[in-house]
Amino acid sequence: QKEVEQNSGPLSVPEGAIASLNCTYSDRGSQSFFWYRQYSGKSPELIMFIYSNGDKEDGRFTAQLNKASQYVSLLIRDSQPSDSATYLCAADTDKLIFGTGTRLQVFP
Amino acid sequence: NAGVTQTPKFQVLKTGQSMTLQCAQDMNHNSMYWYRQDPGMGLRLIYYSASEGTTDKGEVPNGYNVSRLNKREFSLRLESAAPSQTSVYFCASSEGIIDRTPWAFFGQGTRLTVV
Repeated sequence: QKEVEQNSGPLSVPEGAIASLNCTYSDRGSQSFFWYRQYSGKSPELIMFIYSNGDKEDGRFTAQLNKASQYVSLLIRDSQPSDSATYLCAADTDKLIFGTGTRLQVFP
Repeated sequence: NAGVTQTPKFQVLKTGQSMTLQCAQDMNHNSMYWYRQDPGMGLRLIYYSASEGTTDKGEVPNGYNVSRLNKREFSLRLESAAPSQTSVYFCASSEGIIDRTPWAFFGQGTRLTVV
């Protein structure tokens, strides 16, 4: 079992909708969690991080963490075609481990 | 401020050849990482270095060696390249595990093909 699991998608949502991306992790020692966005042929770039249980909002993005359920999610409100990319979830214990990524497609 | 710089950007090797991928960061970060990315597999950790002078295996270390030359530089060596090592390789750095700093910056990647 991979330490960080994501549904590979693709997740298709219409423009203006909410996209919900999910991630589970197996190591209860994980303290920090990250969401990276990766456009095709480019490097991953950090968009959100979360340490504490609950929600963290930054503009159109909300990260949610539930340590009891070992679950992390990312909500993207008012999705735009420019949000179409692969979203990578990562957990930091003593090393930074990534999931396989979820491909998001936002159609006009 | 260049961030994380990887060289080369592209490389084609013949099976059995060796090569070293170079990575340097100018952010004074403690931790550095090497990942490989294959279609459908996400980023898989090859080796990491939590601080100068230390290195540890990640998820897929077989066939690779690393050197943390100093705080700035972390190199990845393929001693005898195999077609299974065809991939995109990313180097990353972050402030470190102890400080729990969230930022991990990635280099632009090296696209390696082994024929």
